[in-house]
Amino acid sequence: KAGVTQTPRYLIKTRGQQVTLSCSPISGHRSVSWYQQTPGQGLQFLFEYFSETQRNKGNFPGRFSGRQFSNSRSEMNVSTLELGDSALYLCASSLAFQGTTNEKLFFGSGTQLSVL
Amino acid sequence: AQSVTQLDSHVSVSEGTPVLLRCNYSSSYSPSLFWYVQHPNKGLQLLLKYTSAATLVKGINGFEAEFKKSETSFHLTKPSAHMSDAAEYFCVVSDRYGGSQGNLIFGKGTKLSVKP
Repeated sequence: KAGVTQTPRYLIKTRGQQVTLSCSPISGHRSVSWYQQTPGQGLQFLFEYFSETQRNKGNFPGRFSGRQFSNSRSEMNVSTLELGDSALYLCASSLAFQGTTNEKLFFGSGTQLSVL
Repeated sequence: AQSVTQLDSHVSVSEGTPVLLRCNYSSSYSPSLFWYVQHPNKGLQLLLKYTSAATLVKGINGFEAEFKKSETSFHLTKPSAHMSDAAEYFCVVSDRYGGSQGNLIFGKGTKLSVKP
């Protein structure tokens, strides 16, 4: 069974641009969560999607958004990039909605975003 | 509000000696607690999970953790370190009944080095 796949692996953007990251969950998993990992702040929860609906959201500005498709694949978008958005963005999938089950999360290897 | 504190940012042990990674948590309700491991350039992998069953939880790769409510601790241990254990370890708390909708709160991480 293929694991969680995130593309691209690396991205370099400039301030003010926007970026879209992609995540394909493990087959059969319906929940996709996104996390931002930085050396200073550690791992912070962005949002969780389940059955194409955002079910849970962390404390990030509205520039961070996402969506989930009917095949459970998810995309995350960051608009008007700032230097502080440079981070490793991790996607995780689970069978059920994480918010009520605390199911085991399966993480992808992440997308390393650098904003210049 | 829940929080998690990993008491050591870096732990160094010799191969074959015991490992102790310390974690304290704060939670208003009965928490779920996890330990995840992240090897370089990889996503996170679940080591073990506590959800109010047995207080001593056994995980993969010989790791275990003990939930101590009186001390609000969930320390991770392993009797004998292997070189392959060198990685970053994250203690995670989820307060499913505290109105946070099950957001996972990650500790800042403890980097484990294993010397030959």
